[in-house]
Amino acid sequence: EAQVTQNPRYLITVTGKKLTVTCSQNMNHEYMSWYRQDPGLGLRQIYYSMNVEVTDKGDVPEGYKVSRKEKRNFPLILESPSPNQTSLYFCASSLYATSGNTEAFFGQGTRLTVV
Amino acid sequence: AQSVTQLGSHVSVSEGALVLLRCNYSSSVPPYLFWYVQYPNQGLQLLLKYTTGATLVKGINGFEAEFKKSETSFHLTKPSAHMSDAAEYFCAVNVGANNLFFGTGTRLTVIP
Repeated sequence: EAQVTQNPRYLITVTGKKLTVTCSQNMNHEYMSWYRQDPGLGLRQIYYSMNVEVTDKGDVPEGYKVSRKEKRNFPLILESPSPNQTSLYFCASSLYATSGNTEAFFGQGTRLTVV
Repeated sequence: AQSVTQLGSHVSVSEGALVLLRCNYSSSVPPYLFWYVQYPNQGLQLLLKYTTGATLVKGINGFEAEFKKSETSFHLTKPSAHMSDAAEYFCAVNVGANNLFFGTGTRLTVIP
């Protein structure tokens, strides 16, 4: 089954404790991205990747890191989480990196709480 | 720069009534436009998209949207609401390179 898989689905952590949210897609998509969803703000892009070893900042990159060492994986890293990073996070992938008319496929989401 | 405005963060309709969710966009180049739906505790899934060609676009579950360039709008409609349509709906614009810009979302409630 074609899908984007995020882990974990739920995570509660303490301020400053490094964490990684994994994202994997099995559709051989070029493009992958991370969004955070907050009430009243919709989805805002954190980082995106147009291919292996190619990543770039989205609209709200502060406090986050990503890597794209393999085509299928795009982990999101919070080196020192803070309470303002409490949010619902989504990973997404699309077939082509430069064609804006292709559908984005989303993972199920990761609800992160930083206390 | 591009942006998306969704009028009404909450919309309530009776079962069987018309659903109308509004979306206006701002883009300096011809946009690709999308509607995504998010059911509770799930990710987003594509309802429909406009790229080029016919301006009335049909999607899944009986939804459709019309691209009106003169009004910079892409409103989502469904003739008859069903209880299963209760969800959050997001309009999004993409002007290339797959960078989607989302509106703030509209939560649809269907009243039995």
